[in-house]
Amino acid sequence: GAVVSQHPSWVICKSGTSVKIECRSLDFQATTMFWYRQFPKQSLMLMATSNEGSKATYEQGVEKDKFLINHASLTLSTLTVTSAHPEDSSFYICSARGNAGAVDEQFFGPGTRLTVL
Amino acid sequence: GEDVEQSLFLSVREGDSSVINCTYTDSSSTYLYWYKQEPGAGLQLLTYIFSNMDMKQDQRLTVLLNKKDKHLSLRIADTQTGDSAIYFCAEKGGSARQLTFGSGTQLTVLP
Repeated sequence: GAVVSQHPSWVICKSGTSVKIECRSLDFQATTMFWYRQFPKQSLMLMATSNEGSKATYEQGVEKDKFLINHASLTLSTLTVTSAHPEDSSFYICSARGNAGAVDEQFFGPGTRLTVL
Repeated sequence: GEDVEQSLFLSVREGDSSVINCTYTDSSSTYLYWYKQEPGAGLQLLTYIFSNMDMKQDQRLTVLLNKKDKHLSLRIADTQTGDSAIYFCAEKGGSARQLTFGSGTQLTVLP
């Protein structure tokens, strides 16, 4: 089956620093990638959708200058949390959709746990 | 926006059947999904059903869809301790190409 990886799996950083999270589709081409945020014991909230080579589309209430998304290739998207603060601590999950699986099927990465001190 | 709701918790005894319920509001839903999330992990697609189907069975999993009532359920037969996880239902509307998730149901399987 199609595999999506994320790196790092967890990261701890100081307040004010920037953190980059990578999302890769390992065995298929991902024309669209999604970034979700999940708070403890809560559902996934879609942050943004990115199509390869285009600017990301952000959901209402998500600051595009704080959460920078780059989808420069068909196998890689990055999420950079700029000037991170403790309230940005969360579980970030990416998913990818492309030439794998059923039509419109999304494959999810294992998630990245971000803790901002 | 569209809404998907689930009960938060379910406990069952090992060997019993589990039934996780979900309701949604989008009448134009085309696909409905069940995902499993184990602690600290991403989401694993368990099964999905197209909106013109009433039922889908896949080994221990049975999905029932009542489109009139906008009600979806996932039945897990012979529930095992390894089934303990959070189960999310999700729907995708007619024109939308993104998923709307429910709040997730924490399934606890007791020995």
